This record gives sequence, structure tokens and C-alpha cells, in this order.
Amino acid sequence: GAVVSQHPSWVICKSGTSVKIECRSLDFQATTMFWYRQFPKQSLMLMATSNEGSKATYEQGVEKDKFLINHASLTLSTLTVTSAHPEDSSFYICSARANGQGEQYFGPGTRLTVT
Amino acid sequence: AQSVAQPEDQVNVAEGNPLTVKCTYSVSGNPYLFWYVQYPNRGLQFLLKYITGDNLVKGSYGFEAEFNKSQTSFHLKKPSALVSDSALYFCAVRDFRDDKIIFGKGTRLHILP
Repeated sequence: GAVVSQHPSWVICKSGTSVKIECRSLDFQATTMFWYRQFPKQSLMLMATSNEGSKATYEQGVEKDKFLINHASLTLSTLTVTSAHPEDSSFYICSARANGQGEQYFGPGTRLTVT
Repeated sequence: AQSVAQPEDQVNVAEGNPLTVKCTYSVSGNPYLFWYVQYPNRGLQFLLKYITGDNLVKGSYGFEAEFNKSQTSFHLKKPSALVSDSALYFCAVRDFRDDKIIFGKGTRLHILP
């Protein structure tokens, strides 16, 4: 099946710094990628949807200047958490979809801890 | 807007017994329906989907789900539970006109040996 990777799998950063998370589709071209955030024992909350070469569409309540998303190629999307704060600590999961009707394939997630 | 409800936070089943994890949905158009499983500190693994066709959908690891349009349900089932099935299960729905999948809050499945 299709494989999506994320890097890093976990990261610890200091408050005020920025951190970049990569999401790659390894064996297919992803026209659309999604970024989710998951708090402990809670469901996945969609943060934004990005199409290759276009600006990301952010969900209501998600600060686009804080969570920068770039989808520069059909196999790579990045999420940059700028000026991170402890409340940004969470599990971030990306997913990728090859075409409009296909299922989404999920990455293994990145656990971000901001100290 | 579409929504998904998983009424049970947790389901306990003895190993070898059949299991059911419930899901109901609400969409304005025809739904795409999905089940995913998540193991601790891991991403989501796709189990099965319904887009069109037979109401009974078979998926990975012996799981199946039945689409019931009149009851707007898509319950996940397995005839004989394994301890290794213990995990967090998410039902998800996508309106075929929309680009995004909305997840239920998840149901934690405990299979008791």
C-alpha cells in the first residue's frame, strides 16, 4: 500500500523557536495533503488542506501565520510551527491523497514538545 | 456540514467474541465513509472504506462494516476478536462534494484475553 513518512518522529524545542515537520509520500504523487493535530485521548482536528503549488486552506481557528504550510512538490509538504509555545505541544499527523476519490494515507505522526 | 458520531468511548469484548464499534454520520450529499485504527503514538492505519456499491464492505485484518443509508450508520464489525485488535478506532466521513474528511472522536477497543 501507499506509504507516507514524517520527519522527525518527535522533536523537543524551546519556546519562541520554530520547528519544521516534513511529510512525504514515498510511492505515489499526492495532489492533496492534509495536516491534523491530535491532543491526548482526542480525535484528529483538521488544521489545513494543501494542494501542490497552491496556498493552503486553513480551517477556522487555525492561525495561518503561526502554522506555515508549504506543498512545493507532489511528494512533499512541510508544516512549520513558528514561535512555538508550550500550548503548541501536540501530536501532528499528515495525510496524503493521490486523487479526488482515493483514501487518505496517514503518516506516523510527529510528537512536538515545546519547553 | 458533515459530522460523525461514535457514541461509545470504550468497548470491551472478550477474545474470540464478535465485536461491533458503532458509527453514525451526517452529510448533505452522498457519503464517503472510512474506518481507521490507531495504535499508541502511531499514525492512522486505513481499514476500509465505502464509496458506492455493496453495503457490506470488507477490509483489513478481518474487519468489515455495513453501510445503512436509512439509519445513517456505518458500524465496524469483526466475527472473532483478537487481543491484538485492542486499539483506538476512528470512523470518518467525507461529503463527495467536499475535500476534507471529518473524524469521529474515536472508540477505544479493549479485547480481554
